[in-house]
Amino acid sequence: ETGVTQTPRHLVMGMTNKKSLKCEQHLGHNAMYWYKQSAKKPLELMFVYNFKEQTENNSVPSRFSPECPNSSHLFLHLHTLQPEDSALYLCASSQDRLAMSGEQFFGPGTRLTVL
Amino acid sequence: GNSVTQMEGPVTLSEEAFLTINCTYTATGYPSLFWYVQYPGEGLQLLLKATKADDKGSNKGFEATYRKETTSFHLEKGSVQVSDSAVYFCALISGGSNYKLTFGKGTLLTVNP
Repeated sequence: ETGVTQTPRHLVMGMTNKKSLKCEQHLGHNAMYWYKQSAKKPLELMFVYNFKEQTENNSVPSRFSPECPNSSHLFLHLHTLQPEDSALYLCASSQDRLAMSGEQFFGPGTRLTVL
Repeated sequence: GNSVTQMEGPVTLSEEAFLTINCTYTATGYPSLFWYVQYPGEGLQLLLKATKADDKGSNKGFEATYRKETTSFHLEKGSVQVSDSAVYFCALISGGSNYKLTFGKGTLLTVNP
């Protein structure tokens, strides 16, 4: 595998379910990100991890819980979601958080539908 | 805070037509500017970037020039192809935003043969 991979690619869940999204980067980067992409809205940054430490939480509801066990893996644990949480969830990585180069490498995303 | 405004889509063009997607920004500090592209079913990819005023970023026939006086970074391509059909995002990063990428809403481009 190369680049940034995400699993699953599609997920349908009920409001009472608990599920997890997984992201893995094979680029040797130190920073990882979760974004939410909704139709007709700018990408919303949710969480940032740098060297496994969370450095950013953009007022994300507690029903979204991130986990970063090492610099290569990032999880997003989901529980008691709402229908408005349906969106494409994108994972990205970069060399480090303070890179003015701005180049982040994105995975293909997980299309989440909450019923 | 920082913000990016790009033209509303969708944009539909015939193959070999000229493309312009407008992007303007507001930012604290001295931002770097980017265009990302998202092909169907994929994540975003960096298309081009410019890090200071008057720089021109270019890649795959696309160009954009960092215009500080008009706070703009318009994307252009002289002759589009069907394979250019995608969503294009203008973005910026600055120390004033704590090095977070700020994205526009995206512009869907469809190129017909």
